[in-house]
Amino acid sequence: GAGVSQTPSNKVTEKGKYVELRCDPISGHTALYWYRQSLGQGPEFLIYFQGTGAADDSGLPNDRFFAVRPEGSVSTLKIQRTERGDSAVYLCASSLMGTGDSPLHFGNGTRLTVT
Amino acid sequence: QQQVKQSPQSLIVQKGGISIINCAYENTAFDYFPWYQQFPGKGPALLIAIRPDVSEKKEGRFTISFNKSAKQFSLHIMDSQPGDSATYFCAASWQGAQKLVFGQGTRLTINP
Repeated sequence: GAGVSQTPSNKVTEKGKYVELRCDPISGHTALYWYRQSLGQGPEFLIYFQGTGAADDSGLPNDRFFAVRPEGSVSTLKIQRTERGDSAVYLCASSLMGTGDSPLHFGNGTRLTVT
Repeated sequence: QQQVKQSPQSLIVQKGGISIINCAYENTAFDYFPWYQQFPGKGPALLIAIRPDVSEKKEGRFTISFNKSAKQFSLHIMDSQPGDSATYFCAASWQGAQKLVFGQGTRLTINP
């Protein structure tokens, strides 16, 4: 079956611009996560959705970052007024339940480059 | 307190050898410890995970050893193969959630 799909795979934008990154989770997975991975580092948690609501957004670095999941499936991570420090790979993951040992399935990420 | 410290940063092992990667944590509330494997250009993929109520878990060539009192856990890859060459991340979470705290990663190279 299809895994977690992220689009675009690469995004280059100019400093100050607005970007949207899309995530299509595995069908039927109720939990969806966004992580950010800087070069040579492990992924860092950004936000977690259970269904349509953001259950935990404590990892969002500031109010320029926002994510939605309006119908409980596809999610969009939105970054306003991008800065060069936002350059990273943004990873989306989904899991069946979002609790216990329900494993996370990661997509291949969107590589964001802010010039 | 939320950190997971991973070592070594990089590791080179001969084919057929044992690869060992170590992680240490501070937060005693962590109750789930997975290991992920990541190939270049791909997302991390779950390899194996352990709960703190057991000291060891084995799946095929991969074994997690867990030392609760020392707050350390390690991944052992037996009979390492060139196809195992990848970056490995340990992670931890608590309250049964999947809000994972990742280590810094270990780049493993298996020489043929």
